[in-house]
Amino acid sequence: EPEVTQTPSHQVTQMGQEVILRCVPISNHLYFYWYRQILGQKVEFLVSFYNNEISEKSEIFDDQFSVERPDGSNFTLKIRSTKLEDSAMYFCASSWDRKNTGELFFGEGSRLTVL
Amino acid sequence: LAKTTQPISMDSYEGQEVNITCSHNNIATNDYITWYQQFPSQGPRFIIQGYKTKVTNEVASLFIPADRKSSTLSLPRVSLSDTAVYYCLVGDKASGGSYIPTFGRGTSLIVHP
Repeated sequence: EPEVTQTPSHQVTQMGQEVILRCVPISNHLYFYWYRQILGQKVEFLVSFYNNEISEKSEIFDDQFSVERPDGSNFTLKIRSTKLEDSAMYFCASSWDRKNTGELFFGEGSRLTVL
Repeated sequence: LAKTTQPISMDSYEGQEVNITCSHNNIATNDYITWYQQFPSQGPRFIIQGYKTKVTNEVASLFIPADRKSSTLSLPRVSLSDTAVYYCLVGDKASGGSYIPTFGRGTSLIVHP
């Protein structure tokens, strides 16, 4: 069964450092998403991406965040200057369409710890 | 945006049937009802989706009454491995027009031996 893969599985960084989280979506999917989940809290939408541009973003996704699909397969989330409150599990997801019948396929997540 | 309400937690025992009900009183005409499952430290996984009446797949059944203001996820004969958080999602069209699955707190199901 095709799956979304994410790297790294766990990253520890110092506050103020830049972090890049990588994702390989399912190959024939067109829509890509990043969500995050702070420990013990709900899964929160960050951003969606289609046709090489952001299609939706939440208020969490401020100027310190950026996304990119540099080579047609990888989908990355960059956090420019990490803060302690960025510590969370970050999930990448992809889907075939963006209709309300579209199933999202999630990766296993990247755990980010900011010290 | 359609808001959902579901129990925070439920307990069950192996072999029992579990029914988790979700309320969505302001569901829109074109909204579907989708359920996801999440194990600890893993991403959510799609379980089932429906619009009305009953939907069944190899994992679960989804019962939706005629007024669609609620839905019930039914897990037949649960095992320990069904211990997870179950999310009910409805609607949530974002400002740009696309559908963005939005997760609430979900229901934490614990299955006991």
